[in-house]
Amino acid sequence: KAGVTQTPRYLIKTRGQQVTLSCSPISGHRSVSWYQQTPGQGLQFLFEYFSETQRNKGNFPGRFSGRQFSNSRSEMNVSTLELGDSALYLCASSLVQTRTAEAFFGQGTRLTVV
Amino acid sequence: DQQVKQNSPSLSVQEGRISILNCDYTNSMFDYFLWYKKYPAEGPTFLISISSIKDKNEDGRFTVFLNKSAKHLSLHIVPSQPGDSAVYFCAARYNNNDMRFGAGTRLTVKP
Repeated sequence: KAGVTQTPRYLIKTRGQQVTLSCSPISGHRSVSWYQQTPGQGLQFLFEYFSETQRNKGNFPGRFSGRQFSNSRSEMNVSTLELGDSALYLCASSLVQTRTAEAFFGQGTRLTVV
Repeated sequence: DQQVKQNSPSLSVQEGRISILNCDYTNSMFDYFLWYKKYPAEGPTFLISISSIKDKNEDGRFTVFLNKSAKHLSLHIVPSQPGDSAVYFCAARYNNNDMRFGAGTRLTVKP
């Protein structure tokens, strides 16, 4: 069965632009979470979607937003890009929304803001 | 607000020896803990987890210990193998699915 697919794998954007990243979860998985990974900061939780609704949100500014579609695919949008937004953005999917649910990660999208 | 901390950015051990990776947390609401392993250019993969009702969970060469009173957990790998060289992330949960991660520890196992 196919894993979590994130597109694109690499992206270069200019300050002030906006960007949309896509995540296709494992078939049947309904929970999708997004994380930002930067050197020294580890993975920081952005938000989680379940059944097309945002269930949890991390401590990021409103420039970071997301949505989930009826087929569980999710998109993440960052507006007015800043240099500090350069990071690896990881998406994880889980079958259900429970604390013990195993999360499966995609390979990530490497965003570089210049 | 770093609720999960991995204070050692790197660790180097000899093949066959024990690797001990440490993790501390500050939020006493956390009740489920996980370890993930990450190779370069790949997403993190789940390794092992432990519920707060236990103090130890073992899976083959990997054992996770939880000390709730100290808000500390550790991952033991015995014996360590060169293929274990990766970045290890500790994570904690208390509210449904979102995980709070530490900054990671890069483990190098030397042949």
